[in-house]
Amino acid sequence: AQTVTQSQPEMSVQEAETVTLSCTYDTSESDYYLFWYKQPPSRQMILVIRQEAYKQQNATENRFSVNFQKAAKSFSLKISDSQLGDAAMYFCAYRSALETGANSKLTFGKGITLSVRP
Amino acid sequence: NAGVTQTPKFRILKIGQSMTLQCTQDMNHNYMYWYRQDPGMGLKLIYYSVGAGITDKGEVPNGYNVSRSTTEDFPLRLELAAPSQTSVYFCASSYTPGVGYEQYFGPGTRLTVT
Repeated sequence: AQTVTQSQPEMSVQEAETVTLSCTYDTSESDYYLFWYKQPPSRQMILVIRQEAYKQQNATENRFSVNFQKAAKSFSLKISDSQLGDAAMYFCAYRSALETGANSKLTFGKGITLSVRP
Repeated sequence: NAGVTQTPKFRILKIGQSMTLQCTQDMNHNYMYWYRQDPGMGLKLIYYSVGAGITDKGEVPNGYNVSRSTTEDFPLRLELAAPSQTSVYFCASSYTPGVGYEQYFGPGTRLTVT
């Protein structure tokens, strides 16, 4: 079974600065997808960025980028030019690319609470 | 598109009561999921469905039931509410794996059982 670990429960960043959120995962599969979801106080789960394991190039979405290290099974999220609206809980998640049924589910880490200081 | 909608947003139940959490999606997704999120934890899969008329258990199905009579709707039923079911419940949907892989989430239902 796959596991996702987010070992930092909380982080804080100054507005306009850069912060990196860490995530490691464990799997025996070679083909999979990784995601970062943002959950603000409204509770809505919002997809921030996704990475396909077969792609060597790190995904980027505006101020958000990832550092995907497949051999190390590491998937960190970098937020540049942090804004007050970035304050939220962030979840790292894994999904098998090969499986259907229940194995198509997302496996989540415990999340990290990011606060942004003005 | 409204995406994935859930009702109610909040609910308080007494132990032993029953209720149904509603979930509807308008994206014509085959796959639908119910997750629960306990405090300080990630989401865990309760039940899922690969299409109308087909449902199956996830990681934590005890105390819940589901049905999928249409592509759009995937209600979750709690028959005898217990305090351990106090949680936030999320419904999600996606295309068939292999066609697309992103899951779209509803806004969640916060349930308290006292």
